[in-house]
Amino acid sequence: GENVEQHPSTLSVQEGDSAVIKCTYSDSASNYFPWYKQELGKRPQLIIDIRSNVGEKKDQRIAVTLNKTAKHFSLHITETQPEDSAVYFCAASRGSGTYKYIFGTGTRLKVLA
Amino acid sequence: SAVISQKPSRDICQRGTSLTIQCQVDSQVTMMFWYRQQPGQSLTLIATANQGSEATYESGFVIDKFPISRPNLTFSTLTVSNMSPEDSSIYLCSVEQYTEAFFGQGTRLTVV
Repeated sequence: GENVEQHPSTLSVQEGDSAVIKCTYSDSASNYFPWYKQELGKRPQLIIDIRSNVGEKKDQRIAVTLNKTAKHFSLHITETQPEDSAVYFCAASRGSGTYKYIFGTGTRLKVLA
Repeated sequence: SAVISQKPSRDICQRGTSLTIQCQVDSQVTMMFWYRQQPGQSLTLIATANQGSEATYESGFVIDKFPISRPNLTFSTLTVSNMSPEDSSIYLCSVEQYTEAFFGQGTRLTVV
């Protein structure tokens, strides 16, 4: 079955610096890769996603890149702010609607003011 | 976006008892998913619930321990049966709509 590995498990950056979180997946049939942010005590919320027909996607300070050949994708956060502090999860899925998501192990990001 | 109401939000239960968690969605969805999130850990899929058929369980999860009901396209329940302290966790339901997964607020279960 699908396995998603995520690194690092914890990441501390200074405010204004960039943060990069990396994930690898094993199922070559996976074609949808969302990223979720979970603040303490709250539910996960989608922040950005990418499909396998796209190599990069950007939304303001957040970007995601995908390398299908190597089966890895990364989350990039630029100009980090204290409110970016949270746990981030990557996930992989074979598609939408009826396919399950397999989540990575999570990265606890701490942005130091 | 889908709005999911999950209850209870938290509970403290005695070992050996069972707890049923309810998940209500404000729109009809084909699949509903139940996850477990142990403290400081990732989300692990327990099972996928499809209306009108038995739930599909992931490796390591069995129906006798986590029976699921899916009586219609907007509602599902997960029961945690014969609980032990190891079942202490957050349980979340999830649905997918327009390619985005939405989560309930979670049920924080403590078994004593």
